[in-house]
Amino acid sequence: QQQVKQSPQSLIVQKGGISIINCAYENTAFDYFPWYQQFPGKGPALLIAIRPDVSEKKEGRFTISFNKSAKQFSLHIMDSQPGDSATYFCAASNGGYNKLIFGAGTRLAVHP
Amino acid sequence: NAGVTQTPKFQVLKTGQSMTLQCAQDMNHEYMSWYRQDPGMGLRLIHYSVGAGITDQGEVPNGYNVSRSTTEDFPLRLLSAAPSQTSVYFCASSYSTPTGNTIYFGEGSWLTVV
Repeated sequence: QQQVKQSPQSLIVQKGGISIINCAYENTAFDYFPWYQQFPGKGPALLIAIRPDVSEKKEGRFTISFNKSAKQFSLHIMDSQPGDSATYFCAASNGGYNKLIFGAGTRLAVHP
Repeated sequence: NAGVTQTPKFQVLKTGQSMTLQCAQDMNHEYMSWYRQDPGMGLRLIHYSVGAGITDQGEVPNGYNVSRSTTEDFPLRLLSAAPSQTSVYFCASSYSTPTGNTIYFGEGSWLTVV
């Protein structure tokens, strides 16, 4: 049972384009939704996170859009760059600590 | 400040062998956890700890043991390795803020069980 469903599995975007990755969750008790970026051979690193009391959060070129009623949230990468090529994971948690439920990941390739 | 340090980076085990993956953090974080990463499945929580002397099970705890005798260290023990435990293992630590937990991951330990 996958509590957090992520799509697409892979994504190819041209430099300067917008990358969009979507996640859907089932557990309405989730109260924290982070996105992680992972480069090959490295551990995931926190990119941006949102709580369900806001519908959007922006940090530089990265934006999370959150739709509580639809139980969906998405990551938008504006002006995508080749250096953004990585695997992106959405996650959700209920009650903090380290108890994150991860999506399956999206492999993003930004072509120059 | 090293962050979260995992050892070894790579390990090959034979079925039935036991081993310990080491994890240490120097950020005085109260929370630590272990995840495994498998292709197409994201990361799954194995065990976690909310402080020294306190541990609990995550999503996939079977075949693994943990202990937390100090704030800094959180070793993961494989009792009798099986090929299904071939995976990349990540240790993480975190602290709580009013807006959520900022979680820091180590660089991973690649384990192959043959």
